[in-house]
Amino acid sequence: DQQVKQNSPSLSVQEGRISILNCDYTNSMFDYFLWYKKYPAEGPTFLISISSIKDKNEDGRFTVFLNKSAKHLSLHIVPSQPGDSAVYFCAASVAGNQFYFGTGTSLTVIP
Amino acid sequence: ETGVTQSPTHLIKTRGQQVTLRCSSQSGHNTVSWYQQALGQGPQFIFQYYREEENGRGNFPPRFSGLQFPNYSSELNVNALELDDSALYLCASSSTAYGYTFGSGTRLTVV
Repeated sequence: DQQVKQNSPSLSVQEGRISILNCDYTNSMFDYFLWYKKYPAEGPTFLISISSIKDKNEDGRFTVFLNKSAKHLSLHIVPSQPGDSAVYFCAASVAGNQFYFGTGTSLTVIP
Repeated sequence: ETGVTQSPTHLIKTRGQQVTLRCSSQSGHNTVSWYQQALGQGPQFIFQYYREEENGRGNFPPRFSGLQFPNYSSELNVNALELDDSALYLCASSSTAYGYTFGSGTRLTVV
């Protein structure tokens, strides 16, 4: 039972353009969400978080949007850079306890 | 501040054997969680320890067990290894519900 889904396994974007990564969840009790990125042979690296009291959180080039009614989360990267090429995971939890992860989206930023 | 350190980085074991994986939490973090990431999947929650007590467990059999020590470092033990236990095992520490740091993981191969 996959409570967090990332339906796009891969995404290619030109350098300088916007990357939009999407994530859907099924559990309406989730109130805290994270995005991580992962390079090969490394553990996940925290990118940005958002709690359910907000619908947007911004940190530099990264913005996360939360649509609670649609149970949908998205990560926008603007402008995209080649160093952003990695696998991106979204994760959701209730009160920051057990996190449920999506299966990841592999982003390739083309120079 | 130090990050989360996991050891060993790679390990090969034979089916039926036992394995112990180790994690040193980030300084000041009193909660540690363990995740299993199979190839092509997102991390799956195994269990969480807070102040040396297990306070949450995912859908993993009892042969997966853990310990947290007074210095908040942690061990994951897996008995009677099966081929499907081959995965990347990630440790994450936190001091609040909203500040997780992941280690780089231990790649376990069961043959």
